[in-house]
Amino acid sequence: GAVVSQHPSWVICKSGTSVKIECRSLDFQATTMFWYRQFPKQSLMLMATSNEGSKATYEQGVEKDKFLINHASLTLSTLTVTSAHPEDSSFYICSAASGFSYNEQFFGPGTRLTVL
Amino acid sequence: AQSVAQPEDQVNVAEGNPLTVKCTYSVSGNPYLFWYVQYPNRGLQFLLKYITGDNLVKGSYGFEAEFNKSQTSFHLKKPSALVSDSALYFCAVKTNAGKSTFGDGTTLTVKP
Repeated sequence: GAVVSQHPSWVICKSGTSVKIECRSLDFQATTMFWYRQFPKQSLMLMATSNEGSKATYEQGVEKDKFLINHASLTLSTLTVTSAHPEDSSFYICSAASGFSYNEQFFGPGTRLTVL
Repeated sequence: AQSVAQPEDQVNVAEGNPLTVKCTYSVSGNPYLFWYVQYPNRGLQFLLKYITGDNLVKGSYGFEAEFNKSQTSFHLKKPSALVSDSALYFCAVKTNAGKSTFGDGTTLTVKP
């Protein structure tokens, strides 16, 4: 299957700082990328959907000014957590899809964010 | 609105026995159904999907799933479980609108 990478795989930062997470589709062009947040032993919470060259569509309750998403190319999307606080600590997962809506999503390995 | 239910938080089976992980869905229109597996501290991996056609779908690692329209179910099965199958399994549904809805996940534990 297609490969999606995420960087960094883990990050520890101080409260108030910003953290950028990169998501890359390595061997295909992703027309759509998704950003999820996952708490321990819980399902995926969709944060936003982004299409290349367009503004991201955020889910209800997700602060777009706090979680900045950029999808500048068909192979790269970034999530920036601005002014991070301990409650933002979580496992963030991106996924990418292309083509028809019945195509499966390909997921990155996730980024563990810990805010001290 | 579409939804997915995985009624079991945890499924325990002995190695070599058949396993079933249950999934039911609710959606307007024709569903596209997916199963994904997640190992600890990793992203999700695609296992199999149903779009149309044969109700029995075969996927990776010997897994299969049966689409049952009347029962709105898409249960994941494997004839003989392996210890290495122990992981978190997610069922998901999509429609033509393209947004996936995931179930809450089922933790499968296969004991030697």
